[in-house]
Amino acid sequence: AQSVTQLGSHVSVSEGALVLLRCNYSSSVPPYLFWYVQYPNQGLQLLLKYTTGATLVKGINGFEAEFKKSETSFHLTKPSAHMSDAAEYFCAVRGNQFYFGTGTSLTVIP
Amino acid sequence: DTEVTQTPKHLVMGMTNKKSLKCEQHMGHRAMYWYKQKAKKPPELMFVYSYEKLSINESVPSRFSPECPNSSLLNLHLHALQPEDSALYLCASSQGERGNTIYFGEGSWLTVV
Repeated sequence: AQSVTQLGSHVSVSEGALVLLRCNYSSSVPPYLFWYVQYPNQGLQLLLKYTTGATLVKGINGFEAEFKKSETSFHLTKPSAHMSDAAEYFCAVRGNQFYFGTGTSLTVIP
Repeated sequence: DTEVTQTPKHLVMGMTNKKSLKCEQHMGHRAMYWYKQKAKKPPELMFVYSYEKLSINESVPSRFSPECPNSSLLNLHLHALQPEDSALYLCASSQGERGNTIYFGEGSWLTVV
């Protein structure tokens, strides 16, 4: 069975500061892992994904994530937060279907 | 820009009304999905169509009736809904049911009064 756990339902950072959103997964097989972003009143947009190959994955809008098998983690980072990054972020793992984490709401403080 | 298009963007309906949500994708995907999302919660899977056949129904009440007229279109027919059914309804697609990436539309905001 597959599942993901997002640590921290709310994260606040100052504009220009590092963004770190945490995701740990559980999977009995090599996982396919995803980060989606949902801006207010919009659908989910794919930020980045890990399937196979390079463990450091770069996505849109300056975000990246690193797959760490030893830590069963797939944390999302961005070196410098921008006001436009304020949104809900969902980690997901692909099993028989997509399993989503409970989400992390990112607030960026001017 | 999303290549999954949903209409209408907003829908208000009474509990005795019949309405439909529509979804279209032009990526050649053969799997399509309906999700329901409440505020600040993750999407909840409702239905999966694979090659135009219903493959997963997550015990959704019969007042929600999906339809897949062809590989590009997905409808969700709504009848006798309850106020608690008010939510964002998201359509999504993937290359196949085992496709490794799922793409979402912008969603349809449904309010049941």
